Amino acid sequence: EAGVAQSPRYKIIEKRQSVAFWCNPISGHATLYWYQQILGQGPKLLIQFQNNGVVDDSQLPKDRFSAERLKGVDSTLKIQPAKLEDSAVYLCASSLALMRGGTEAFFGQGTRLTVV
Amino acid sequence: GDSVTQMEGPVTLSEEAFLTINCTYTATGYPSLFWYVQYPGEGLQLLLKATKADDKGSNKGFEATYRKETTSFHLEKGSVQVSDSAVYFCALSSGGSNYKLTFGKGTLLTVNP
Repeated sequence: EAGVAQSPRYKIIEKRQSVAFWCNPISGHATLYWYQQILGQGPKLLIQFQNNGVVDDSQLPKDRFSAERLKGVDSTLKIQPAKLEDSAVYLCASSLALMRGGTEAFFGQGTRLTVV
Repeated sequence: GDSVTQMEGPVTLSEEAFLTINCTYTATGYPSLFWYVQYPGEGLQLLLKATKADDKGSNKGFEATYRKETTSFHLEKGSVQVSDSAVYFCALSSGGSNYKLTFGKGTLLTVNP
């Protein structure tokens, strides 16, 4: 079974530039998550989709971050304009459904963003 | 809101030593509890989980027991190996937070030969 695919693996941009990340979840997984992992901290949820609808985006900085999930499959996360504090690893994860009863979430390898 | 507190690292052990990484949580309702592991250069992988009180999750020699009375889910292994060197994350999922995963800060474990 193919895992969660993310691209690019690494990205370096200057502050105020824009950047986009792409995620392809495991086939058949209805729920998709984007997490931000700052060095030395645990992952923090940015946005959660159920099919192509947003379930939770309460911690997404909506003035600069946006995300969409087209046709309930692939997803893109965009930052515009980037700030130095956006330097982090951006993780995409997917699960069969909302995580009731211990449903497992599968993670991609992440995109390491450096803003200079 | 939901939160997870795990012991600060880094933790450095010799091979075959006993490992404990403490984890406590605050959550609404009855959360499911998880330990995820991140090996160098790799993504997060589920190590083990428990979905109700007194459940014991186990995998690869690691164990953790869901203790509702102490709101804890401590990770243990009787004899660590060099290959266990990684970052370990405690996490929970509950209905009070739309069933998303809420993570602790992670504990870096280094095992020396």
